[in-house]
Amino acid sequence: GQQLNQSPQSMFIQEGEDVSMNCTSSSIFNTWLWYKQEPGEGPVLLIALYKAGELTSNGRLTAQFGITRKDSFLNISASIPSDVGIYFCAGQGTGTASKLTFGTGTRLQVTL
Amino acid sequence: GAGVSQSPSNKVTEKGKDVELRCDPISGHTALYWYRQRLGQGLEFLIYFQGNSAPDKSGLPSDRFSAERTGESVSTLTIQRTQQEDSAVYLCASSSDSYTGELFFGEGSRLTVL
Repeated sequence: GQQLNQSPQSMFIQEGEDVSMNCTSSSIFNTWLWYKQEPGEGPVLLIALYKAGELTSNGRLTAQFGITRKDSFLNISASIPSDVGIYFCAGQGTGTASKLTFGTGTRLQVTL
Repeated sequence: GAGVSQSPSNKVTEKGKDVELRCDPISGHTALYWYRQRLGQGLEFLIYFQGNSAPDKSGLPSDRFSAERTGESVSTLTIQRTQQEDSAVYLCASSSDSYTGELFFGEGSRLTVL
């Protein structure tokens, strides 16, 4: 099935560093979402974006819905060990409001 | 419980056997989804149920895969004549609003086909 392209695929950073990851698509989406998955668990919603150009924050997390509606990025500031996990972007387009297309994932490792 | 519940959490089966995976969504959630996640990969959409509407089966990879949902409650994903490439984690998610993309996922059922 179709998947969104995420980069980087993986990141190894030190505690306290900022993190940035992005997601691109060949299709336009009306909604962009960012999920986090920890080992042995299902993904959990972090941030949802519903308007092109929208910038939304949730604690140390900030995400933006690209103006072209074909991309989004997620920033994590001052990373901590519990930020470890796989981050997935997801897009939802018109006419397929129920079906999310997920990105390939960015695996984040945080060292002390 | 308060969250999405899936069973079994782990299933090991022999090639050619049929398997059933069960999902109990959050009470009151009208929308239910199944996704497949192969090792190290993203989430692959399989099927979506919304209330009494006909399900969106566009993601089912072959006719060996089928799913049922009883009203707005339990769903069962069935894989017939399993193949080794069916090995994956099967994730179920439910939502109270299909238009916001805010899904609540279960922990998944890990299927291993020998």
